[in-house]
Amino acid sequence: AQRVTQPEKLLSVFKGAPVELKCNYSYSGSPELFWYVQYSRQRLQLLLRHISRESIKGFTADLNKGETSFHLKKPFAQEEDSAMYYCALIPDRGSTLGRLYFGRGTQLTVWP
Amino acid sequence: KAGVTQTPRYLIKTRGQQVTLSCSPISGHRSVSWYQQTPGQGLQFLFEYFSETQRNKGNFPGRFSGRQFSNSRSEMNVSTLELGDSALYLCASSLGTTGGMSYEQYFGPGTRLTVT
Repeated sequence: AQRVTQPEKLLSVFKGAPVELKCNYSYSGSPELFWYVQYSRQRLQLLLRHISRESIKGFTADLNKGETSFHLKKPFAQEEDSAMYYCALIPDRGSTLGRLYFGRGTQLTVWP
Repeated sequence: KAGVTQTPRYLIKTRGQQVTLSCSPISGHRSVSWYQQTPGQGLQFLFEYFSETQRNKGNFPGRFSGRQFSNSRSEMNVSTLELGDSALYLCASSLGTTGGMSYEQYFGPGTRLTVT
């Protein structure tokens, strides 16, 4: 079965420090991986996806198929990065089935 | 453009009742998915509709059902409510998939259902 694991429920860092939110998945096919973010009192929104290989708001994530990981990183955290972050996957890239499997989420707090 | 809207935003029902939640997708989006979010289970997929057809269904009992109309608006229905159905129900819309890539799913604000 497809599974997305985010080992840290809570993560706190100070402003300017590097941050890494971990995500591991178990699926042997060709999944499409995403990071979603939910800021306080806002709706869930896409932060980035592995196929676009973009850097959004200073965040990057590299898909490591060998380690089945898709960790989210930012070199210098900002207070406005405080939010709930969800790692998610669609099992087969380009599948007509748009089902997202979500991890449990990591609450990131960036202290001033 | 207007985002995904969900109505109602809050709902209180008693056990045994039934409830209908509504989702209006972004204009032009034909795919609508529903998710249940609870503190204990996180975000779980309920079902997905595309052009009025259910394409995918999660592991929920038959009390949970849905439909999609020709204008892509979608409703989900929960019959014989149980206390454990208390959750935030999220709707997401997208253009679907093409050429090996899934289009971004845009989420609504959710409907907070409380069953007493």
